[in-house]
Amino acid sequence: ETGVTQSPTHLIKTRGQQVTLRCSSQSGHNTVSWYQQALGQGPQFIFQYYREEENGRGNFPPRFSGLQFPNYSSELNVNALELDDSALYLCASSLDPGADEKLFFGSGTQLSVL
Amino acid sequence: SQELEQSPQSLIVQEGKNLTINCTSSKTLYGLYWYKQKYGEGLIFLMMLQKGGEEKSHEKITAKLDEKKQQSSLHITASQPSHAGIYLCGADRTADKLIFGTGTRLQVFP
Repeated sequence: ETGVTQSPTHLIKTRGQQVTLRCSSQSGHNTVSWYQQALGQGPQFIFQYYREEENGRGNFPPRFSGLQFPNYSSELNVNALELDDSALYLCASSLDPGADEKLFFGSGTQLSVL
Repeated sequence: SQELEQSPQSLIVQEGKNLTINCTSSKTLYGLYWYKQKYGEGLIFLMMLQKGGEEKSHEKITAKLDEKKQQSSLHITASQPSHAGIYLCGADRTADKLIFGTGTRLQVFP
């Protein structure tokens, strides 16, 4: 167990809807990264939050947005869902951006868009 | 093309056999991570390699980093069904924003 928890574990939405995924970081970790993993692929970096500010973003459109709260928990919001958004969404926390420490991953939220 | 290429893409071995998974980067490697993933679940950290020539072992899994070849290998000795899963290599690009390979799917049959 990494101490990173994600909710919900599974979610089914229809095209055009909006979704919010949640992540609680491991205690003491102030950096949260979100990844999207499509079936049969490796995780793709979406964005990272450090002390409530976005600290880097991958190649994802603006309809993917995030928040980090003072307790370092985080949300990933996706608007106008598309079929290709179906994937496993992983949250990972770390102590500081740039620290030579491993990322601690949650178990993920499996999102299906119909 | 992928910045991190893993080979093979999938592997089916008999219990007790040794196996090797490779990860090759098209860019200079500064830090290389190995993770294991059960299907549809989160990533479990295995090892991190930072220096050229570095080799680390944990139980029956050994990983090596060849900086000159921009390559890392993961070797499993005497495989067991518990080793089954997806093995992912990840490279440090900037400030622990890891990029990942597409993974190697390992099945171990009795």
